[in-house]
Amino acid sequence: EPEVTQTPSHQVTQMGQEVILRCVPISNHLYFYWYRQILGQKVEFLVSFYNNEISEKSEIFDDQFSVERPDGSNFTLKIRSTKLEDSAMYFCASTPRLNNEQFFGPGTRLTVL
Amino acid sequence: AQTVTQSQPEMSVQEAETVTLSCTYDTSESDYYLFWYKQPPSRQMILVIRQEAYKQQNATENRFSVNFQKAAKSFSLKISDSQLGDAAMYFCAFDMDSNYQLIWGAGTKLIIKP
Repeated sequence: EPEVTQTPSHQVTQMGQEVILRCVPISNHLYFYWYRQILGQKVEFLVSFYNNEISEKSEIFDDQFSVERPDGSNFTLKIRSTKLEDSAMYFCASTPRLNNEQFFGPGTRLTVL
Repeated sequence: AQTVTQSQPEMSVQEAETVTLSCTYDTSESDYYLFWYKQPPSRQMILVIRQEAYKQQNATENRFSVNFQKAAKSFSLKISDSQLGDAAMYFCAFDMDSNYQLIWGAGTKLIIKP
């Protein structure tokens, strides 16, 4: 069964460093998402992406964040200068159409020291 | 703005018993979608069940069913014949029609007692 994959599973970085989190959505899906979940807290929407552009983003998704779909398969989230409060689990999701089930990857645990 | 509230931070149930997790939401929209996702200790997010607001019939998926009360803006999840593998965090989520994001509740931790 097709699934969303994410790499790495765990990323440790120093404050101020740039990180790139990678996702491979399910191949025939058209809508892509990033969410984050700070430990013990609720899941928060970051950004959605459709037709090679951002369709919606939250207040969290400021100028430090960017997304890209550099080829036909990868979907990346870049944090330019990480802060301690960026430490969280980051989930990628994809869906073939709006309002459908979103299929989630296993997440990347980001730890900023 | 849409909000989702899960008032039970933690619930426990005896194995083989039935448990109901509550969820309420606030919206002025009439067309929307509601979801229950399960997050086991592996932290993978797994869809449990989905409900379309325009459907009056409550969604069911094997041992999982919902009680969708549109007027009351309530969307509870019933788990019948609870199994040890049901132990997880359960999140209620809301998706407005033509919207691009899921809005999440705070989650309920479900403990299954053997």
